[in-house]
Amino acid sequence: AQTVTQSQPEMSVQEAETVTLSCTYDTSENNYYLFWYKQPPSRQMILVIRQEAYKQQNATENRFSVNFQKAAKSFSLKISDSQLGDTAMYFCAFMTVSNFGNEKLTFGTGTRLTIIP
Amino acid sequence: GAGVSQSPSNKVTEKGKDVELRCDPISGHTALYWYRQSLGQGLEFLIYFQGNSAPDKSGLPSDRFSAERTGGSVSTLTIQRTQQEDSAVYLCASSYGTSGYQETQYFGPGTRLLVL
Repeated sequence: AQTVTQSQPEMSVQEAETVTLSCTYDTSENNYYLFWYKQPPSRQMILVIRQEAYKQQNATENRFSVNFQKAAKSFSLKISDSQLGDTAMYFCAFMTVSNFGNEKLTFGTGTRLTIIP
Repeated sequence: GAGVSQSPSNKVTEKGKDVELRCDPISGHTALYWYRQSLGQGLEFLIYFQGNSAPDKSGLPSDRFSAERTGGSVSTLTIQRTQQEDSAVYLCASSYGTSGYQETQYFGPGTRLLVL
């Protein structure tokens, strides 16, 4: 079974600063995908970034980038030049194919990020 | 185009009553997922649909929970004889579901269920 651990329940940073959210996972799979989702107070889960495990290059989406360390099973999210709109819960998720053929997402417990004006 | 929609947005019910939660996936998405998010927790997988069939129901917590999908589109999650521990946000997600291993799931806004 896969597990995803987010060890930082809450974080806060000043606007415009850089913040890194941690995520570790445990799996025996070799091919999988990793995701960061953002959940603002509206409850809508929004995809922030995804990383294919077979790719060595770290994914980047504008101000969001990841540090993917496959051997260490670590997948941290870096937010640069943080903005007030980045305030949300951030969930790390691991995707693999279940025995039933579907892509099953396993989520961490989340990190509540607050950007301070 | 429209995203995943869910209704109702909020539902308050009394213990023992049945509730139905609805999900409208993104048009053209054949895969549909239900998740449950309890207070302070991550998301817990409930059930997966491919078209109208549900090959993976492994996450349903008890036989009080059931779901169906019709026309390969709308899905309904039904909870019978609700209990207080059923209180949670129920999230629906959909994906293209065609390639089998690389589909991003897109989420709806969820239904917050409160059982009194």
